[in-house]
Amino acid sequence: SAVISQKPSRDICQRGTSLTIQCQVDSQVTMMFWYRQQPGQSLTLIATANQGSEATYESGFVIDKFPISRPNLTFSTLTVSNLSPEDSSIYLCSVSSTGVGTEAFFGQGTRLTVV
Amino acid sequence: SQQGEEDPQALSIQEGENATMNCSYKTSINNLQWYRQNSGRGLVHLILIRSNEREKHSGRLRVTLDTSKKSSSLLITASRAADTASYFCATVPLNRDDKIIFGKGTRLHILP
Repeated sequence: SAVISQKPSRDICQRGTSLTIQCQVDSQVTMMFWYRQQPGQSLTLIATANQGSEATYESGFVIDKFPISRPNLTFSTLTVSNLSPEDSSIYLCSVSSTGVGTEAFFGQGTRLTVV
Repeated sequence: SQQGEEDPQALSIQEGENATMNCSYKTSINNLQWYRQNSGRGLVHLILIRSNEREKHSGRLRVTLDTSKKSSSLLITASRAADTASYFCATVPLNRDDKIIFGKGTRLHILP
């Protein structure tokens, strides 16, 4: 298993600003993922954070809006840039420690409200 | 696009009753997983069933998988108040085993 610490747990941000979310894992993991969960909805994969290379973004998500860093095998950040009210969501970090397509572990999420 | 569709969207039952949630998906899968989410928190993995398995048990949980119908069900027996949560099925596509695709979820409410 993996224990994930995600910070901040919540934030209220002004329109036009940015928020950086941190994800720290207690062990080295191969795969790290960032999801968005809009109110009352399911999880949508934003991107896969790759260690030592650029993140792989899903359709509809771009690097300029959601820059991601992954400097090592235990840490990643997601920045949500140029915030608008439509960005109000829960953002979740997830890891898979036993290989692709297997059990995923999640952080507690970051609840973002844009005003 | 989302792979899984859960049914029902919401379910309320009395404590002690069994709860059944269904999931349908569209494409061939490597495996299917069920997760629980308590009120806007992180998700907790419950059970994984591989495409060549038909049924799996874990404590009070029973999962079935019918690949011919592209459907799965999650049964929670003898429900408890602590089971109140949202339940998501998630699939790992056969052609994209580097990602997990989540369904819309079922909100389960256990009445005391």
